[in-house]
Amino acid sequence: GESVGLHLPTLSVQEGDNSIINCAYSNSASDYFIWYKQESGKGPQFIIDIRSNMDKRQGQRVTVLLNKTVKHLSLQIAATQPGDSAVYFCAEGQGAQKLVFGQGTRLTINP
Amino acid sequence: SAVISQKPSRDICQRGTSLTIQCQVDSQVTMMFWYRQQPGQSLTLIATANQGSEATYESGFVIDKFPISRPNLTFSTLTVSNMSPEDSSIYLCSVRLTGVGSSPLHFGNGTRLTVT
Repeated sequence: GESVGLHLPTLSVQEGDNSIINCAYSNSASDYFIWYKQESGKGPQFIIDIRSNMDKRQGQRVTVLLNKTVKHLSLQIAATQPGDSAVYFCAEGQGAQKLVFGQGTRLTINP
Repeated sequence: SAVISQKPSRDICQRGTSLTIQCQVDSQVTMMFWYRQQPGQSLTLIATANQGSEATYESGFVIDKFPISRPNLTFSTLTVSNMSPEDSSIYLCSVRLTGVGSSPLHFGNGTRLTVT
């Protein structure tokens, strides 16, 4: 079956540095990819998404890169702030159907 | 976006009992899903809640254990039946809004269930 995984389960960065969170997916039929942020005690919060006809998309301080050749997805967070501390999940889907989630990366920010 | 309200937000239950979780959305939605998040883990899809018909369950999840209702577009319930400690998880309702194509799923804050 399809699966989504992550290279790094934990990531620790200095405040102000850039963070890069990676994700691998296995279903070549997936055409929609998304990143969520989950803070303690809360549900996942949408960060940014990208469709398979794009390889890069930028938001506010975040960029998602998609490499379909190697089935790799990454989330870049610029100038990381203490409020960015959370668990980040990637997910993949097909059209308007269900999402399959990766295992998550915990991002901690060092002052 | 949408406001997704789940009740209860948390509960502690005894094994062998059942708990029904409610999900209410303040907007019209097309699709509603129920996810489970076991402690320290990622989200696993339980089922798609279909309006007016039986839910569509994922592999490993069955209707007898997780009956789901969706009487209208904005409300759904998930019941965790005959609970055991292994059912201790966060149960999350998620929705896709009407008319936005492949829009992101929006999540509620979940129901934190502990089974003793």
